[in-house]
Amino acid sequence: KNEVEQSPQNLTAQEEEFITINCSYSVGISALHWLQQHPGGGIVSLFMLSSGKKKHGRLIATINIQEKHSSLHITASHPRDSAVYICAVSSPGSNYQLIWGAGTKLIIKP
Amino acid sequence: EAQVTQNPRYLITVTGKKLTVTCSQNMNHEYMSWYRQDPGLGLRQIYYSMNVEVTDKGDVPEGYKVSRKEKRNFPLILESPSPNQTSLYFCASSQGGLIFQPQHFGDGTRLSIL
Repeated sequence: KNEVEQSPQNLTAQEEEFITINCSYSVGISALHWLQQHPGGGIVSLFMLSSGKKKHGRLIATINIQEKHSSLHITASHPRDSAVYICAVSSPGSNYQLIWGAGTKLIIKP
Repeated sequence: EAQVTQNPRYLITVTGKKLTVTCSQNMNHEYMSWYRQDPGLGLRQIYYSMNVEVTDKGDVPEGYKVSRKEKRNFPLILESPSPNQTSLYFCASSQGGLIFQPQHFGDGTRLSIL
């Protein structure tokens, strides 16, 4: 069993739909990262969080430390949100390495 | 503009022919890292460097070498490439460790080893 699991693996939705991508982890963490990989391959860091909730534009990331679970939400989704969304965690005592999820491929249809 | 630059972006080569993928960052970051990405396996770390002259193995270091002689550069060397090193490679940098520092990624290098 992977230490970081994402669901769903693939998600197709219509424009304007509310999107939720989930990340569950089985290890203790210092922080959880959400990243976006564009269809062209480039990777961008979206959020880092260790508690609560963060918001940037239409993207919202939440984390529940007790349940070892994080969600990434996209409101009013748009075709340009189509990408692979990757969750990764940093463990206490491991400041230089992340444990990576396999990614969720999101397609937003117009 | 703050960026991580990888070269080449694409390379097709043959087994055994030494190659180097360069990585340079202009943000004065201490931390740099190399990843490979394969379908179904996600990102896997090859090597990382905490600062100049300080490097350490990641999860899949076999068949690769790195060096960090200057803060801005972190080349990845394949001394004798093999077909199982065909992959998409990313270089990344960060101001410090990875707990609360975002990584900045290069655009990727797609390597095909025949």
